[in-house]
Amino acid sequence: EVQLVESGGGLVQPGRSLRLSCTASGFTFGDYAMGWVRQAPGKGLEWVGFITSKTYGGATDYAASVKGRFSISRDDSKSIAYLQMSSLRAEDTAVYYCTRLKLTRTHFDFWGQGTLVTVSS
Amino acid sequence: DIQMTQSPSSVSASVGDRVTITCRATQGINNWLAWYQQKPGKAPKLLIDTVSILQSGVPSRFSGSGSGTHFTLTISSLQPEDFATYYCQQANSFPYTFGQGTKLEIK
Repeated sequence: EVQLVESGGGLVQPGRSLRLSCTASGFTFGDYAMGWVRQAPGKGLEWVGFITSKTYGGATDYAASVKGRFSISRDDSKSIAYLQMSSLRAEDTAVYYCTRLKLTRTHFDFWGQGTLVTVSS
Repeated sequence: DIQMTQSPSSVSASVGDRVTITCRATQGINNWLAWYQQKPGKAPKLLIDTVSILQSGVPSRFSGSGSGTHFTLTISSLQPEDFATYYCQQANSFPYTFGQGTKLEIK
């Protein structure tokens, strides 16, 4: 059974940093691209970014709203994907979902339960 | 960026009704279109990818169609567990984008 479990969320002050982790199980982690999608309270879904598998060079791409502030990495030996967030703003407050992308690297076929990040002083 | 627009934003329907949700893209997306279902307090769930491919375990009352820039999700006979918010998503080009969501409520 595929499982994605996020951790690391919480309350953080504006301008500070936070790292989220996504621990995966139930599949060969290294074969898949992994992504992050967020949802602000009461709002819709927003793609944050993704990282390809090492087969595709571990390339990353990000939404314009987070580019230069957020970075995604992966540790295939531990089956963990990370979302490093810096220079956090109030508008980054959201539930952050870890996702697995289908092998076509297009759609998100499995999602974690989400972790809430609140940016507030 | 490709913008995805869903209509309606909300719809009220009864158990047994047929419901159709529309998603329009601002440019062609080569059929890289998916539909997700989200229930309150839960993560989204992939229902359909590549316009019409039903995911394993998804009931056959769900179907997807369309091409170019116009796509639809149809639920042929609503069941109580189908009341949720539905999102479309394009994966033709970065940034991947979602529609704003359609909330399906019980009449």
